[in-house]
Amino acid sequence: DQQVKQNSPSLSVQEGRISILNCDYTNSMFDYFLWYKKYPAEGPTFLISISSIKDKNEDGRFTVFLNKSAKHLSLHIVPSQPGDSAVYFCAASEVYSGAGSYQLTFGKGTKLSVIP
Amino acid sequence: EAGVAQSPRYKIIEKRQSVAFWCNPISGHATLYWYQQILGQGPKLLIQFQNNGVVDDSQLPKDRFSAERLKGVDSTLKIQPAKLEDSAVYLCASSLGASSYNEQFFGPGTRLTVL
Repeated sequence: DQQVKQNSPSLSVQEGRISILNCDYTNSMFDYFLWYKKYPAEGPTFLISISSIKDKNEDGRFTVFLNKSAKHLSLHIVPSQPGDSAVYFCAASEVYSGAGSYQLTFGKGTKLSVIP
Repeated sequence: EAGVAQSPRYKIIEKRQSVAFWCNPISGHATLYWYQQILGQGPKLLIQFQNNGVVDDSQLPKDRFSAERLKGVDSTLKIQPAKLEDSAVYLCASSLGASSYNEQFFGPGTRLTVL
């Protein structure tokens, strides 16, 4: 069972426009959410995160929105640039009782293509 | 600051053979992770170390996979014997601590092909 879902495998956006990447989760115990960006032949790199006590976090061109009641988060990139073309992974974590393991559960990723 | 180093970058083996991957985390990072990323999927945690102790290995197929982190620094992940379904990219990551709030830094990965 997939606890973190990214239902759009790919997205194409014109340069300068807004890119919106979506993510849904099913585990209500998740309390911290992250977005990672991955270029080919490289490991994922952290982009932005949000705690479950917030509904919005902004960092430059990147904003993440969290709707806890809908178990949905989205990443907005404004304006989109060709260098943003990459695979974006949504990830979530929960606290395991006792073990102290903050395991990240990743979605399948969305490939963003920003067209010049 | 040097990033997470992994070797080899690529490995092709036949099924039933053995293979080992090596990871050198960022200096000072106490927590080390091994992930498996199958094509078209997101990374899946296999094992997490805190210093040289195992914190979480609940998703590690222990009949064929093993990992160690001697001296709390470098780590090796071994598969013996390999199966076709083990074809994937194996990612190593490290972080200062085990909290969600500690950013995980990923290495470039090792792409394993099992024929």
